[in-house]
Amino acid sequence: AQKVTQAQTEISVVEKEDVTLDCVYETRDTTYYLFWYKQPPSGELVFLIRRNSFDEQNEISGRYSWNFQKSTSSFNFTITASQVVDSAVYFCALSEAKAGGTSYGKLTFGQGTILTVHP
Amino acid sequence: EAQVTQNPRYLITVTGKKLTVTCSQNMNHEYMSWYRQDPGLGLRQIYYSMNVEVTDKGDVPEGYKVSRKEKRNFPLILESPSPNQTSLYFCASSLLRTGITYEQYFGPGTRLTVT
Repeated sequence: AQKVTQAQTEISVVEKEDVTLDCVYETRDTTYYLFWYKQPPSGELVFLIRRNSFDEQNEISGRYSWNFQKSTSSFNFTITASQVVDSAVYFCALSEAKAGGTSYGKLTFGQGTILTVHP
Repeated sequence: EAQVTQNPRYLITVTGKKLTVTCSQNMNHEYMSWYRQDPGLGLRQIYYSMNVEVTDKGDVPEGYKVSRKEKRNFPLILESPSPNQTSLYFCASSLLRTGITYEQYFGPGTRLTVT
C-alpha cells in the first residue's frame, strides 16, 4: 500500500525566512506521480506541481522549488523568502500507475503541514 | 472559466436524513473523485469514476453512494447520514490517459455536519 508522511505538523516562520516542507513516500510501484497542493485559509485546494518518478530534476517556480530524491523517497518543497500569503496548509500526495499503464488516478495524501508566516 | 462546482457549500442535517451533494465540472474530464478531509488525516478518497457508468470504491466508501450518468456530473449520496460523516468533502476531476496521472482540480468543498 502506498503511504505519504509529512512529519511536520506545523511550522511557524517570520516573513522573508526560507522554509522547507518535508514529504516522504512509500510505494512498491516503479511508476508513480507526486504532487503538492496548497490549501489557503479560504479552504480551496490549489495544485502546485506534478512530478513523475522518472524525472528527478529539481524544479523551481519563482519562490517555490522542489527537490525530488528517489534514493530517499522524498519530495521536499522549499519556499524562499516566505510571505504572509504563503500561510496555508500544504499537502503532498502520491498517485501510483497501475500495471499495464492505465492509471486510475487515486491520490494518497499526507496529513498536511500547516505553515504560518508571521509579518 | 474552467471549474469544478459543488453544492451545497454548507449543510447541517440530522442522522438518517438522506442527502445528495452535487458535483459538476466543465472541463470534459473523464476522471472524477470524491474525498473527505478530516483533521490530522489529510484527504481520503471515498469513490472515484473513470468514465460514465464506471465507478469504484476508494479508501473509505462505507455509507456513501455515487453515480455517473453524465460525464460532467458526479453526485455523492448519503442514504442515511451518521455523525461520523461530519466532514469537509471535496469533489475533483482530471484528464485520464493511459500511463499518465494528471493533476486533479478540486471543487470549493462542502462542509457537512450531521447531528
